[in-house]
Amino acid sequence: DVKVTQSSRYLVKRTGEKVFLECVQDMDHENMFWYRQDPGLGLRLIYFSYDVKMKEKGDIPEGYSVSREKKERFSLILESASTNQTSMYLCASFLAGADTQYFGPGTRLTVL
Amino acid sequence: QKEVEQNSGPLSVPEGAIASLNCTYSDRGSQSFFWYRQYSGKSPELIMFIYSNGDKEDGRFTAQLNKASQYVSLLIRDSQPSDSATYLCAVIGANFGNEKLTFGTGTRLTIIP
Repeated sequence: DVKVTQSSRYLVKRTGEKVFLECVQDMDHENMFWYRQDPGLGLRLIYFSYDVKMKEKGDIPEGYSVSREKKERFSLILESASTNQTSMYLCASFLAGADTQYFGPGTRLTVL
Repeated sequence: QKEVEQNSGPLSVPEGAIASLNCTYSDRGSQSFFWYRQYSGKSPELIMFIYSNGDKEDGRFTAQLNKASQYVSLLIRDSQPSDSATYLCAVIGANFGNEKLTFGTGTRLTIIP
Protein backbone atom coordinates (compact mmCIF):
# COMPACT_ATOMS: atom_id res chain seq x y z
CA ASP A 1 0.00 0.00 0.00
CA VAL A 2 1.05 3.53 -0.70
CA LYS A 3 2.00 5.29 2.42
CA VAL A 4 2.12 9.04 2.73
CA THR A 5 2.88 10.38 6.16
CA GLN A 6 2.86 13.89 7.53
CA SER A 7 4.94 15.06 10.45
CA SER A 8 2.09 16.24 12.68
CA ARG A 9 -1.67 15.75 12.87
CA TYR A 10 -2.22 18.89 14.90
CA LEU A 11 -0.03 21.95 15.23
CA VAL A 12 -0.49 25.26 17.06
CA LYS A 13 1.82 28.16 16.27
CA ARG A 14 1.95 31.86 16.97
CA THR A 15 1.79 34.65 14.42
CA GLY A 16 5.21 35.36 12.95
CA GLU A 17 6.68 31.96 13.71
CA LYS A 18 8.38 29.92 11.00
CA VAL A 19 6.51 26.68 10.45
CA PHE A 20 7.72 23.49 8.78
CA LEU A 21 5.29 20.84 7.60
CA GLU A 22 6.90 17.67 6.37
CA CYS A 23 5.56 14.97 4.08
CA VAL A 24 7.19 11.62 3.37
CA GLN A 25 6.15 8.96 0.89
CA ASP A 26 7.64 5.49 0.68
CA MET A 27 6.63 4.51 -2.88
CA ASP A 28 9.33 6.24 -4.93
CA HIS A 29 6.81 8.65 -6.49
CA GLU A 30 8.09 11.53 -8.57
CA ASN A 31 5.17 13.87 -8.03
CA MET A 32 4.30 15.43 -4.70
CA PHE A 33 1.76 18.10 -3.84
CA TRP A 34 0.74 20.37 -1.01
CA TYR A 35 -2.90 21.46 -0.66
CA ARG A 36 -4.82 23.39 1.94
CA GLN A 37 -8.46 22.70 2.60
CA ASP A 38 -10.88 25.25 4.01
CA PRO A 39 -14.66 25.06 4.46
CA GLY A 40 -16.46 26.29 1.38
CA LEU A 41 -13.25 26.64 -0.60
CA GLY A 42 -12.34 23.01 -1.10
CA LEU A 43 -8.85 21.77 -1.80
CA ARG A 44 -6.50 24.40 -3.18
CA LEU A 45 -3.07 23.62 -4.56
CA ILE A 46 -0.20 25.51 -2.92
CA TYR A 47 2.90 24.01 -4.53
CA PHE A 48 3.89 20.85 -6.34
CA SER A 49 7.08 19.12 -7.38
CA TYR A 50 7.82 16.77 -10.27
CA ASP A 51 11.28 15.78 -9.13
CA VAL A 52 13.99 16.42 -6.60
CA LYS A 53 14.85 20.11 -6.33
CA MET A 54 12.04 21.00 -8.73
CA LYS A 55 9.03 23.00 -7.62
CA GLU A 56 6.16 24.81 -9.24
CA LYS A 57 3.64 27.22 -7.85
CA GLY A 58 0.07 26.12 -7.54
CA ASP A 59 -2.96 28.34 -7.22
CA ILE A 60 -2.18 29.97 -3.86
CA PRO A 61 1.60 30.04 -3.28
CA GLU A 62 1.76 33.40 -1.49
CA GLY A 63 3.17 33.14 2.00
CA TYR A 64 4.53 29.64 1.42
CA SER A 65 7.69 28.04 0.14
CA VAL A 66 8.70 24.42 -0.37
CA SER A 67 11.76 22.23 -0.35
CA ARG A 68 12.41 18.89 -2.01
CA GLU A 69 15.95 17.75 -1.35
CA LYS A 70 15.14 14.04 -1.48
CA LYS A 71 12.63 12.22 -3.64
CA GLU A 72 10.63 10.89 -0.72
CA ARG A 73 10.35 14.12 1.21
CA PHE A 74 8.47 17.34 0.40
CA SER A 75 8.40 20.12 2.95
CA LEU A 76 6.06 23.09 3.14
CA ILE A 77 7.39 26.19 4.88
CA LEU A 78 5.45 29.10 6.26
CA GLU A 79 8.14 31.77 6.59
CA SER A 80 6.08 33.96 8.94
CA ALA A 81 2.84 32.35 9.96
CA SER A 82 -0.31 34.43 9.89
CA THR A 83 -3.79 33.74 11.24
CA ASN A 84 -5.20 33.38 7.73
CA GLN A 85 -2.96 30.35 7.27
CA THR A 86 -4.96 28.44 9.85
CA SER A 87 -6.16 25.48 7.82
CA MET A 88 -5.96 21.76 7.13
CA TYR A 89 -2.85 20.98 5.08
CA LEU A 90 -2.81 17.88 2.94
CA CYS A 91 0.15 16.33 1.19
CA ALA A 92 -0.28 13.99 -1.77
CA SER A 93 1.94 11.97 -4.05
CA PHE A 94 1.71 9.71 -7.08
CA LEU A 95 3.73 8.02 -9.76
CA ALA A 96 3.62 9.50 -13.26
CA GLY A 97 1.16 7.53 -15.33
CA ALA A 98 -0.68 6.22 -12.30
CA ASP A 99 -4.35 6.88 -11.89
CA THR A 100 -4.59 9.20 -9.00
CA GLN A 101 -3.05 10.90 -6.03
CA TYR A 102 -2.66 9.34 -2.60
CA PHE A 103 -3.14 11.67 0.32
CA GLY A 104 -1.47 11.84 3.67
CA PRO A 105 -3.58 12.09 6.85
CA GLY A 106 -3.37 15.88 6.96
CA THR A 107 -2.05 18.44 9.43
CA ARG A 108 -4.49 20.78 11.10
CA LEU A 109 -2.56 23.97 11.71
CA THR A 110 -3.83 26.70 13.99
CA VAL A 111 -2.04 30.06 14.01
CA LEU A 112 -2.86 32.20 17.03
CA GLN B 1 -16.81 30.53 -13.41
CA LYS B 2 -15.16 27.92 -11.21
CA GLU B 3 -13.12 25.31 -13.02
CA VAL B 4 -14.87 22.42 -11.28
CA GLU B 5 -18.30 22.93 -9.76
CA GLN B 6 -20.35 20.81 -7.42
CA ASN B 7 -23.52 21.43 -5.48
CA SER B 8 -22.38 21.75 -1.87
CA GLY B 9 -25.48 20.07 -0.50
CA PRO B 10 -26.25 18.71 1.95
CA LEU B 11 -27.84 15.94 -0.04
CA SER B 12 -30.02 13.62 2.04
CA VAL B 13 -30.90 10.17 0.71
CA PRO B 14 -32.82 7.35 2.46
CA GLU B 15 -30.89 4.17 3.16
CA GLY B 16 -31.17 1.73 0.27
CA ALA B 17 -31.94 4.42 -2.32
CA ILE B 18 -29.71 5.70 -5.12
CA ALA B 19 -27.58 8.76 -4.37
CA SER B 20 -26.71 10.90 -7.39
CA LEU B 21 -23.83 13.36 -7.24
CA ASN B 22 -23.02 15.74 -10.06
CA CYS B 23 -20.02 17.74 -11.18
CA THR B 24 -19.40 20.11 -14.09
CA TYR B 25 -16.07 21.36 -15.39
CA SER B 26 -15.08 24.29 -17.54
CA ASP B 27 -12.08 23.01 -19.53
CA ARG B 28 -13.42 21.16 -22.56
CA GLY B 29 -9.99 19.54 -23.04
CA SER B 30 -10.09 17.79 -19.67
CA GLN B 31 -8.94 14.20 -19.89
CA SER B 32 -9.30 12.46 -16.55
CA PHE B 33 -11.99 12.58 -13.91
CA PHE B 34 -11.97 11.35 -10.34
CA TRP B 35 -14.33 10.95 -7.43
CA TYR B 36 -12.99 11.03 -3.89
CA ARG B 37 -14.78 10.36 -0.63
CA GLN B 38 -13.80 12.29 2.45
CA TYR B 39 -15.05 11.51 5.93
CA SER B 40 -15.08 14.30 8.46
CA GLY B 41 -11.58 14.94 9.81
CA LYS B 42 -9.98 12.51 7.37
CA SER B 43 -8.10 12.90 4.09
CA PRO B 44 -9.70 12.16 0.70
CA GLU B 45 -9.67 8.62 -0.64
CA LEU B 46 -10.25 7.57 -4.22
CA ILE B 47 -13.54 5.91 -5.14
CA MET B 48 -13.65 6.00 -8.92
CA PHE B 49 -11.83 7.37 -11.93
CA ILE B 50 -13.11 7.61 -15.49
CA TYR B 51 -11.49 8.65 -18.76
CA SER B 52 -13.99 7.76 -21.48
CA ASN B 53 -17.52 8.84 -22.21
CA GLY B 54 -20.17 6.56 -20.79
CA ASP B 55 -20.52 4.59 -17.58
CA LYS B 56 -18.01 2.82 -15.41
CA GLU B 57 -19.21 0.53 -12.65
CA ASP B 58 -17.39 -0.67 -9.55
CA GLY B 59 -19.55 -2.46 -7.02
CA ARG B 60 -22.26 -0.12 -5.81
CA PHE B 61 -20.62 2.87 -7.50
CA THR B 62 -21.11 4.04 -11.08
CA ALA B 63 -19.30 6.98 -12.62
CA GLN B 64 -20.83 8.60 -15.67
CA LEU B 65 -18.98 10.93 -18.02
CA ASN B 66 -20.40 13.15 -20.74
CA LYS B 67 -17.62 15.20 -22.30
CA ALA B 68 -19.92 16.99 -24.74
CA SER B 69 -21.94 18.39 -21.83
CA GLN B 70 -18.87 18.66 -19.59
CA TYR B 71 -20.27 16.83 -16.63
CA VAL B 72 -19.38 13.80 -14.62
CA SER B 73 -21.60 12.12 -12.07
CA LEU B 74 -21.38 9.48 -9.39
CA LEU B 75 -24.23 7.13 -8.57
CA ILE B 76 -24.24 5.17 -5.33
CA ARG B 77 -26.71 2.29 -5.35
CA ASP B 78 -28.17 0.73 -2.20
CA SER B 79 -26.91 3.66 -0.14
CA GLN B 80 -25.61 2.79 3.31
CA PRO B 81 -25.14 5.02 6.37
CA SER B 82 -21.39 4.47 5.94
CA ASP B 83 -21.64 6.33 2.62
CA SER B 84 -22.35 9.54 4.53
CA ALA B 85 -19.37 11.74 3.69
CA THR B 86 -18.29 14.61 1.46
CA TYR B 87 -17.67 13.61 -2.14
CA LEU B 88 -15.07 15.51 -4.12
CA CYS B 89 -14.94 15.68 -7.89
CA ALA B 90 -11.50 16.26 -9.40
CA VAL B 91 -10.31 16.83 -12.92
CA ILE B 92 -7.02 16.73 -14.81
CA GLY B 93 -7.48 19.08 -17.73
CA ALA B 94 -5.53 20.09 -20.78
CA ASN B 95 -4.85 23.49 -19.27
CA PHE B 96 -4.21 22.33 -15.74
CA GLY B 97 -0.81 20.80 -16.24
CA ASN B 98 0.43 17.27 -15.99
CA GLU B 99 -1.12 15.23 -13.21
CA LYS B 100 -2.36 18.34 -11.46
CA LEU B 101 -5.79 17.70 -10.07
CA THR B 102 -8.27 20.54 -9.69
CA PHE B 103 -10.95 19.83 -7.12
CA GLY B 104 -14.50 20.93 -6.71
CA THR B 105 -15.61 22.09 -3.27
CA GLY B 106 -17.44 18.85 -2.60
CA THR B 107 -20.99 17.66 -1.96
CA ARG B 108 -21.94 16.58 1.53
CA LEU B 109 -24.04 13.42 1.44
CA THR B 110 -26.10 12.14 4.34
CA ILE B 111 -27.72 8.70 4.22
CA ILE B 112 -30.79 8.57 6.44
CA PRO B 113 -31.37 5.20 8.15
